[in-house]
Amino acid sequence: SQQGEEDPQALSIQEGENATMNCSYKTSINNLQWYRQNSGRGLVHLILIRSNEREKHSGRLRVTLDTSKKSSSLLITASRAADTASYFCATDPHTNAGNMLTFGGGTRLMVKP
Amino acid sequence: KAGVTQTPRYLIKTRGQQVTLSCSPISGHRSVSWYQQTPGQGLQFLFEYFSETQRNKGNFPGRFSGRQFSNSRSEMNVSTLELGDSALYLCASSLSSGAANEQYFGPGTRLTVT
Repeated sequence: SQQGEEDPQALSIQEGENATMNCSYKTSINNLQWYRQNSGRGLVHLILIRSNEREKHSGRLRVTLDTSKKSSSLLITASRAADTASYFCATDPHTNAGNMLTFGGGTRLMVKP
Repeated sequence: KAGVTQTPRYLIKTRGQQVTLSCSPISGHRSVSWYQQTPGQGLQFLFEYFSETQRNKGNFPGRFSGRQFSNSRSEMNVSTLELGDSALYLCASSLSSGAANEQYFGPGTRLTVT
């Protein structure tokens, strides 16, 4: 079963616009990660935010984490056609001592040129 | 550094057969995790191996098994294949096992069961 739910399931924007994706999860976590996947290929790690962090930036990416609401958001600024992909949040449950990630259902982002 | 490699990339098998998939982690990485991705169930954790020991196991039947070798390469095996086993199988490697480890994914093996 999936730990997280992502919203929206699909998003279509114009190049240059910002894209915001949200993720909600159910249990306490150690950290939350965001991944990108292009057309059913491997996942690319984007950013990791620890449970004691509230916001993190990486280039055009901004991630927020609200542990009280068990939610996170990923903002991609000034989107490009190359950002077209599926984006997944993944959580590392607090009780887990290994590398077991639980993924959300993903948001399919389409950026139109 | 070379990335995570998975072989084969594509595979077609018949119901009832068995299959073995291989994953070579990034050099120096000791943890390998396996995930199954299907349109219906999404990405689901199968198992994790660290230093040749299974560290975690997901909620999959015993037909799914794996192992890790001393060079950290890992294989997963699915016996008595069912149509529902058709999926993209992804492996991910990480330096170690534990919280806050960044995982690097391979391109996946697409398995089709007919």
